[in-house]
Amino acid sequence: EAGVAQSPRYKIIEKRQSVAFWCNPISGHATLYWYQQILGQGPKLLIQFQNNGVVDDSQLPKDRFSAERLKGVDSTLKIQPAKLEDSAVYLCASSLGTAGLKSNEQFFGPGTRLTVL
Amino acid sequence: GEDVEQSLFLSVREGDSSVINCTYTDSSSTYLYWYKQEPGAGLQLLTYIFSNMDMKQDQRLTVLLNKKDKHLSLRIADTQTGDSAIYFCAESSNTGFQKLVFGTGTRLLVSP
Repeated sequence: EAGVAQSPRYKIIEKRQSVAFWCNPISGHATLYWYQQILGQGPKLLIQFQNNGVVDDSQLPKDRFSAERLKGVDSTLKIQPAKLEDSAVYLCASSLGTAGLKSNEQFFGPGTRLTVL
Repeated sequence: GEDVEQSLFLSVREGDSSVINCTYTDSSSTYLYWYKQEPGAGLQLLTYIFSNMDMKQDQRLTVLLNKKDKHLSLRIADTQTGDSAIYFCAESSNTGFQKLVFGTGTRLLVSP
């Protein structure tokens, strides 16, 4: 079974530029998560989708970050304009998203490492 | 709000046992997890424990939970060099859609 796919793996941009990340979750997984992991810290949830609806975006800096999952499968996360403090690894994860512990196990992609200069 | 804390670094010799500790603040935590992250890779779920359990053993891994003190530990028996990685503790509650709150991670270094 294919895992969670993310692209690109690495991205270097200058501050005030825009960037977009793409995630393809495991087939059949209804729930998709985007996490930001700053160097030396644990991942922090940015946004969580259930199918194509947002269920939690309380920690998403909405003035510059946006995310969508239009058809309930793939997702994109965009930063516009980027700041130096956005340098981090952006992790995508997915889970089955139904009742029960096993179905909520989150499977993580390899992440996109963003460097903002 | 929720907060999860871990010690930053642990160094052990190959063959020894490793114990990684974690404390959390959310008394409504329902599930507690241990994830492993190797360089350049995503997070891999190692094991989890339900909050009404005290202990869970899974091959070389033993998880101990002290719910009164909100303290979680992961013991790795017979630690190998391949166990060198960053280990994250995470908690989720049974409310909402089970958002994970991660600790800062403990870097485990296993020397031959």
